[in-house]
Amino acid sequence: ETGVTQSPTHLIKTRGQQVTLRCSSQSGHNTVSWYQQALGQGPQFIFQYYREEENGRGNFPPRFSGLQFPNYSSELNVNALELDDSALYLCASSWDRRYEQYFGPGTRLTVT
Amino acid sequence: QQQVKQSPQSLIVQKGGISIINCAYENTAFDYFPWYQQFPGKGPALLIAIRPDVSEKKEGRFTISFNKSAKQFSLHIMDSQPGDSATYFCAASRDSGNQFYFGTGTSLTVIP
Repeated sequence: ETGVTQSPTHLIKTRGQQVTLRCSSQSGHNTVSWYQQALGQGPQFIFQYYREEENGRGNFPPRFSGLQFPNYSSELNVNALELDDSALYLCASSWDRRYEQYFGPGTRLTVT
Repeated sequence: QQQVKQSPQSLIVQKGGISIINCAYENTAFDYFPWYQQFPGKGPALLIAIRPDVSEKKEGRFTISFNKSAKQFSLHIMDSQPGDSATYFCAASRDSGNQFYFGTGTSLTVIP
C-alpha cells in the first residue's frame, strides 16, 4: 500500500508569484484535504476534495484554489503569493470522506 | 477563534513516566477526536482517536480520556520513551471529517 506523497519537498518563491503543489493520495483513497501549517502552529484546513468536487473550505481567500483529478491526486494552487504564505503545506487522504485521514510529508514553501 | 485549545505548549517527562496532554473544545457538534504525532520534517501521523460515545480508549501505551460534559479530552502516554519525543496535536471534526480543527500542539521531550 502506497502512502500519501507530495511534491516538491521544498520550494522558494518570490512575493506575487504563483505556485502549484501536488499530492498523490494513498492507494484506494478518494478524498484529499489540504492544510497550511505555519511554524509552531497546528495545521489549518484549506479545503477538501471528494470525487473531483470541492467538499468544504476553510477561511482562506480565493487565491487558494485546488483541483482533484480522476485518479484522485490533487493540486493546490496559490496565486499572488504573500510573505505570510510561507508554511508547510500538508495534504491528507481518506476513503469516502471518512474521519481517518493520513497525511503526507508536506511541502515547505518559503516566500521571499 | 480557536476551536480547539491545547495545553501545555511544552512538556518534559522522565523516561518511564506518564505524559498527559489536554484539549478543550467548544462546538458540541464535534463527533471525532483524533490525536496526531509529528516528528520534525514529517507530516502528522494518526495516533489514536475517539468518538464521544465512549469515555476512554486505549491502544498500547496511548490512552484517550474523554469528558463530554466538560468538553475536554486528553492523551496519556504511559511508560514514556525517548522515541516518543515529538509534537502532539489534538483535533476535532464533524460531518464525516469534512473539516478538522487542530490544537496548537504540545512539544514533548522524554529525557533518559
